[in-house]
Formats: sequence, C-alpha cells, structure tokens
Amino acid sequence: GEDVEQSLFLSVREGDSSVINCTYTDSSSTYLYWYKQEPGAGLQLLTYIFSNMDMKQDQRLTVLLNKKDKHLSLRIADTQTGDSAIYFCAERSDSNYQLIWGAGTKLIIKP
Amino acid sequence: DGGITQSPKYLFRKEGQNVTLSCEQNLNHDAMYWYRQDPGQGLRLIYYSQIVNDFQKGDIAEGYSVSREKKESFPLTVTSAQKNPTAFYLCASSIPPDTEFTEAFFGQGTRLTVV
Repeated sequence: GEDVEQSLFLSVREGDSSVINCTYTDSSSTYLYWYKQEPGAGLQLLTYIFSNMDMKQDQRLTVLLNKKDKHLSLRIADTQTGDSAIYFCAERSDSNYQLIWGAGTKLIIKP
Repeated sequence: DGGITQSPKYLFRKEGQNVTLSCEQNLNHDAMYWYRQDPGQGLRLIYYSQIVNDFQKGDIAEGYSVSREKKESFPLTVTSAQKNPTAFYLCASSIPPDTEFTEAFFGQGTRLTVV
C-alpha cells in the first residue's frame, strides 16, 4: 500500500543547515508537500514540489526530489530557533486525491 | 479574515460519553477533513466530505460519526464505541482535491482527553 516514511527526530545547531528526509511509495503522485506544525497548533503548508521538478528553492528552503528513488528532502539553511517544529511530508495520491502523511520529523535546535 | 476554526481547544470526556468537536470554515471550500494525530504517527484520516450532504469514511472511521449539513461546518462526534479516543484532532479544508493543485488549510486542533 501507499506509505510515507520519515525519521521522527532531527537535532541541529542554530545556524547550521537542517536536512529532513522523506521516502514515499506512490510513484504516480503528482504533488509532494512539506507542512510545518508548531507546538499545540495545526499544520501550515511550507512548500510543495510538482513531480516533474527536481528542485525548488524558496528563500531558506530547498526541496529536492529524486523521483527514481522516491526520495524527498527539505533543507532549511541557517536554522533558527523559530524553526523548531514538526515537519510533515505528504504525497497526494493520484488514485483518490487524498493526502498520505508521514509521521512527522521533530526538529530540535541546539544553541 | 478567512480561516478554519476548531472548538473547543481542550475537551475532557468521561468514559461512555459521546462528545462533538466543532469545525467551521469561511474559506468557501467544498472539501473538509477530520484527522487524528497520535505521537509518533502521521495524520490518520477519520472522515472526509467532498460536498455538502455527502461524506466518506477514512482509514479509521470506527467509533466516529460526522455530518455535513452546511458547506461551512463539519462536526465530528466521538462516540462511546471509540475505545481509545484520547488524541489530538485536526480539521482541514481545501478546494476539491482532484483539481490541479490543492492546499489543505488546518484548524488549530482539539485535544481530547478521556478521564
């Protein structure tokens, strides 16, 4: 079946780059998403990538897509304390258009 | 301001009781969703509705019920049949998901605790 996998935790030092990885199984997914969840809150769309792209950059965020390996990553440059959150990877199933979610990666920032 | 509002933020339920979680949106979205979030797990879909007066079961619908009488509202009832209801519940809405690109907008969540 369809599945999205992520590591549960990532710890980085303030000012370093964070790289959050995700693997997915549905090769027909048209869109892949990164959502951010701050403590006790709902999720907000951070960025997304269309499946015919390899890379998308938006200020401090870089999304890389390796469609052959079904691997998606989110790089946050110059990580700040405000980046502390849980980051969810999601793919949109092209069979029923529902979002399939990863378990979320909690980003921990060390001073 | 357009958005999606869940209430209450915290809810306590005694065993054997039904409780209803509210979700209202003023984004004019056709599609609405209920997810359950447990620590270390992804969001699991409980129910979704693509249009008024229609809804579909998600992956974990047992012990839950919904209604969609108005476009703006999609309340979720957690029934006594749900054996492990303590969780964080998230409501979301979007334009129809079969359009070219859709973004899901989330409410702030309701934390339900069984006491």
